[in-house]
Amino acid sequence: GQQLNQSPQSMFIQEGEDVSMNCTSSSIFNTWLWYKQDPGEGPVLLIALYKAGELTSNGRLTAQFGITRKDSFLNISASIPSDVGIYFCAGQVSYKYIFGTGTRLKVLA
Amino acid sequence: DVKVTQSSRYLVKRTGEKVFLECVQDMDHENMFWYRQDPGLGLRLIYFSYDVKMKEKGDIPEGYSVSREKKERFSLILESASTNQTSMYLCASSSQGAHEQYFGPGTRLTVT
Repeated sequence: GQQLNQSPQSMFIQEGEDVSMNCTSSSIFNTWLWYKQDPGEGPVLLIALYKAGELTSNGRLTAQFGITRKDSFLNISASIPSDVGIYFCAGQVSYKYIFGTGTRLKVLA
Repeated sequence: DVKVTQSSRYLVKRTGEKVFLECVQDMDHENMFWYRQDPGLGLRLIYFSYDVKMKEKGDIPEGYSVSREKKERFSLILESASTNQTSMYLCASSSQGAHEQYFGPGTRLTVT
């Protein structure tokens, strides 16, 4: 089945640093979503993007819907220890969502 | 508060056993989904249902079946469990037309 490529796969960062991750595909999507999965829990929606070029913020998180509709970016500013987890992008195609491979974030205090 | 619950957090089954994973949502959502999560592969859709007794295959339906007899409950069935079905299984629900899916905590299934 179709998958989205996320990068990086994992990253260690120092507390206070900014983080960037992205998601790319060969297909066009109508909607992009970003989820976070805390250890031992299911993913929770962080940000939803509905239009090409859209830039949306949620606190320290900022996400963008790529202009080509084939990619999306998530930035986290001034990371804190509770940012640790796995971040997934998801793109909508027809009636379902395709999820990315995930970016595992570890924050060093 | 929105809630999706899954019957077990951890499950260990033997090869060839029939396995039932249950999911219940309390939000009156029309849509329900079953995913499996494997390291490096992200979440892959197994089956989804958009109404009672309705089901659609996802990307990896082989070896699985589902049942939705009531709106709030969506069951995933492994007819004859195999070791390659060892994985984390996540259930999710969403309302019709909405983009956000609400996930349960997952069931980590080990097949030995």
